[in-house]
Amino acid sequence: EVQLLESGGDLVQPGGSLRLSCAASGFTFHSYAMTWVRQAPGKGPEWLSAISGDGIHIYYADSVRGRFTVSRDNSKNTLFLQMNSLRGDDTAVYYCAQNTLVHYGLAVWGLGTTVTV
Amino acid sequence: QTVVTQEPSLTVSPGGTVTLTCGSSTGAVTSGYYSNWFQQKPGQAPRSLIYRTTNTHSWTPARFSGSLLGGKAALTLSGAQPEDEADYYCLLNYGDGVLFGGGTKLTVL
Repeated sequence: EVQLLESGGDLVQPGGSLRLSCAASGFTFHSYAMTWVRQAPGKGPEWLSAISGDGIHIYYADSVRGRFTVSRDNSKNTLFLQMNSLRGDDTAVYYCAQNTLVHYGLAVWGLGTTVTV
Repeated sequence: QTVVTQEPSLTVSPGGTVTLTCGSSTGAVTSGYYSNWFQQKPGQAPRSLIYRTTNTHSWTPARFSGSLLGGKAALTLSGAQPEDEADYYCLLNYGDGVLFGGGTKLTVL
């Protein structure tokens, strides 16, 4: 069974930093691209970033480019999101999601971790 | 700024059929937008239903299907069940980014 477990969410001051983790299990992690999505309170989801299975191809939304950095450690089946220069509008639940093997799809989502700025 | 539009709310009777749509401010949605659909119930993470316009996941109930309809991506629910009451979000892939729609609140009543 595919499982994704986010961690690292916390209460942080504006201008601060956080590093989110997403521990993956139940699938061949290095074979799948992964995506970060967030959802502010009472709002719809917002796509943030995606990273290819080998970590070479990386994409960001304009809203976080230059402040957030996605990475992965395939030896530890873990996805990361380093968040710097945090602002109040970064307050949200942050989800990691497994991409489908074919491009342009999202499959399994984690339960999310809450970031409050 | 590109906007992805969905009906804010829809109501369907139990056992009935309803179609949710997903449009783009840039023009007609085609297969090249690789639309995805997600279901979200209160207090839960989103759950993927449809990817690449028409493809279902192994867990997607057979009563859900995806298509293109009138220049929009569409999610059709045939034979609505009470447990289908939820928020539904679409996602479109653009050359320079990925956008979610604002969501449709579906009531089964």
